[in-house]
Amino acid sequence: AQSVTQPDIHITVSEGASLELRCNYSYGATPYLFWYVQSPGQGLQLLLKYFSGDTLVQGIKGFEAEFKRSQSSFNLRKPSVHWSDAAEYFCAVDANDYKLSFGAGTTVTVRA
Amino acid sequence: DAGVTQSPTHLIKTRGQQVTLRCSPKSGHDTVSWYQQALGQGPQFIFQYYEEEERQRGNFPDRFSGHQFPNYSSELNVNALLLGDSALYLCASSRTSADTQYFGPGTRLTVL
Repeated sequence: AQSVTQPDIHITVSEGASLELRCNYSYGATPYLFWYVQSPGQGLQLLLKYFSGDTLVQGIKGFEAEFKRSQSSFNLRKPSVHWSDAAEYFCAVDANDYKLSFGAGTTVTVRA
Repeated sequence: DAGVTQSPTHLIKTRGQQVTLRCSPKSGHDTVSWYQQALGQGPQFIFQYYEEEERQRGNFPDRFSGHQFPNYSSELNVNALLLGDSALYLCASSRTSADTQYFGPGTRLTVL
């Protein structure tokens, strides 16, 4: 069955430290890949997307993600976290069927 | 340029009632998708509208129906509300059905 897995439910990171959020997908072919961020009570904001080409994708707010076909992964990274990065992060895939399938999300807490 | 807008922001209904949620897409977008996000979960695809027709539907009962108007705005209707319908309902729009989806702030529905 097609699925999106975010193995980490909750991550706590110190301000200024690096952050990596994991995402694995299970689809027959390479889907379109996305990372969205959601602040409490808010909608989803697009951080970055991968359609094809360069496997390292740059996004907004200093985030980047790397697509690894061999591992069916699309991990999100940020070199230095700010307190405003505390939020919930969702990985999503579009398997060319016009809909997004989301992972369960990873909650990021930033400590001072 | 206004983003995706949704109304109302919050809504409280009782079991068995009917509800209508509204969405206006970003300027230049002609496709609208609806998602349900239960507390602590990732969004689940309900359906997508393009050219005033339902193009794709997720695993939701017929109690969930929708409509798209000639100006591309959309409504989501839910009949015979159940307690389990309590969730954040997100609308997303895109330039085409295969393009990146941009989300609105959501409507928080509480069913008592």
